[in-house]
Amino acid sequence: AQSVTQPDIHITVSEGASLELRCNYSYGATPYLFWYVQSPGQGLQLLLKYFSGDTLVQGIKGFEAEFKRSQSSFNLRKPSVHWSDAAEYFCAVAPGGGADGLTFGKGTHLIIQP
Amino acid sequence: DAGVTQSPTHLIKTRGQQVTLRCSPKSGHDTVSWYQQALGQGPQFIFQYYEEEERQRGNFPDRFSGHQFPNYSSELNVNALLLGDSALYLCASSLIFDAGPSTDTQYFGPGTRLTVL
Repeated sequence: AQSVTQPDIHITVSEGASLELRCNYSYGATPYLFWYVQSPGQGLQLLLKYFSGDTLVQGIKGFEAEFKRSQSSFNLRKPSVHWSDAAEYFCAVAPGGGADGLTFGKGTHLIIQP
Repeated sequence: DAGVTQSPTHLIKTRGQQVTLRCSPKSGHDTVSWYQQALGQGPQFIFQYYEEEERQRGNFPDRFSGHQFPNYSSELNVNALLLGDSALYLCASSLIFDAGPSTDTQYFGPGTRLTVL
């Protein structure tokens, strides 16, 4: 069975600084990979997804993620964070396609310092 | 274009009771998935419905059941509620065979917060 690990439970970043959130997955083949963001009391919003092709994918709100097969990683990055980026971030995997049931990591809580 | 909607927003039940949560998918979507998100955790996949049939199921007991209607809306039923069923229940919709940019993407609703006392 597939699994997702987000090693950082909390991350604190100063506004304007760069951000990298880590995600490692366990699966025999290349899965479908996703990053979602959840603001307090809200549902999940898709930031970006990777299925195949270019390993650097661009998403909404200035986020990007890089798929590294050798490291089984799909880390999320942003060059300059804004206070509005404070939220919970979830990495997810789907083995057979994005329409399948997703397996999520436990999430990383992002705190932005002024 | 209405997104995924869920009702009710909040619900309080007592142990042993039964509960029904409802979900209307995004316009044009034909598949509904349900997830349970306990406090401080990531969402866990419960099951998915397509063409009024359960297509996939996660590791949840039979107390969790569902239904999909001809208009693609869906219900999640939980019987014999336990304290541990307290969570945010998320519904997500998708289109199984979409050749456009939304292919293989699930769109989530705001969730129903269930509290079991």
